[in-house]
Amino acid sequence: AQSVSQHNHHVILSEAASLELGCNYSYGGTVNLFWYVQYPGQHLQLLLKYFSGDPLVKGIKGFEAEFIKSKFSFNLRKPSVQWSDTAEYFCAVKAAGNKLTFGGGTRVLVKP
Amino acid sequence: KAGVTQTPRYLIKTRGQQVTLSCSPISGHRSVSWYQQTPGQGLQFLFEYFSETQRNKGNFPGRFSGRQFSNSRSEMNVSTLELGDSALYLCASSLSQGIRGSGNTIYFGEGSWLTVV
Repeated sequence: AQSVSQHNHHVILSEAASLELGCNYSYGGTVNLFWYVQYPGQHLQLLLKYFSGDPLVKGIKGFEAEFIKSKFSFNLRKPSVQWSDTAEYFCAVKAAGNKLTFGGGTRVLVKP
Repeated sequence: KAGVTQTPRYLIKTRGQQVTLSCSPISGHRSVSWYQQTPGQGLQFLFEYFSETQRNKGNFPGRFSGRQFSNSRSEMNVSTLELGDSALYLCASSLSQGIRGSGNTIYFGEGSWLTVV
């Protein structure tokens, strides 16, 4: 069975700082990878996804993620965060079927 | 295009009661899956339906059940509610199954907040 781990539970940073959230998964086969964001009081929204091809994927709101197969990692990055990026971020892995396995989430607080 | 719609959005139930939650997937999506979100356990997969058949099931007791109708709409039911069932229940839909192609992107609804007292 696959598992996903997100290294940081909480991240606090100031506006304009760069953000990188780590995500590692364990699964030997082909996977699809996702980052979802949950803004306070809102539902899960898809930030970006990786299915195949270019391992560097760009998502909405200036986010990007890099899939490194050899490291089983799919880290999320944003060069310059804004206060509105305050949210909880979830990394997820999908193998066969449509079962998503989520990491524990990282709460990001951006101070204005 | 309407997103994934869940009803009711909020509900309060008493221990021992049962509850039914409803989900309408994005038009054309045939796969519906359910997740439970709690502060302690995070996001956990409950089950997945595709073409009215349960294709996958998470590690939840038999009190948790679901079904999918011919129009792809889905319901989940929790019987004999316990305090620990208090959670946000999320429904998600996808165009297809498998791991190839953008049709496998999974979209979430706003969830149904269940409080058991």
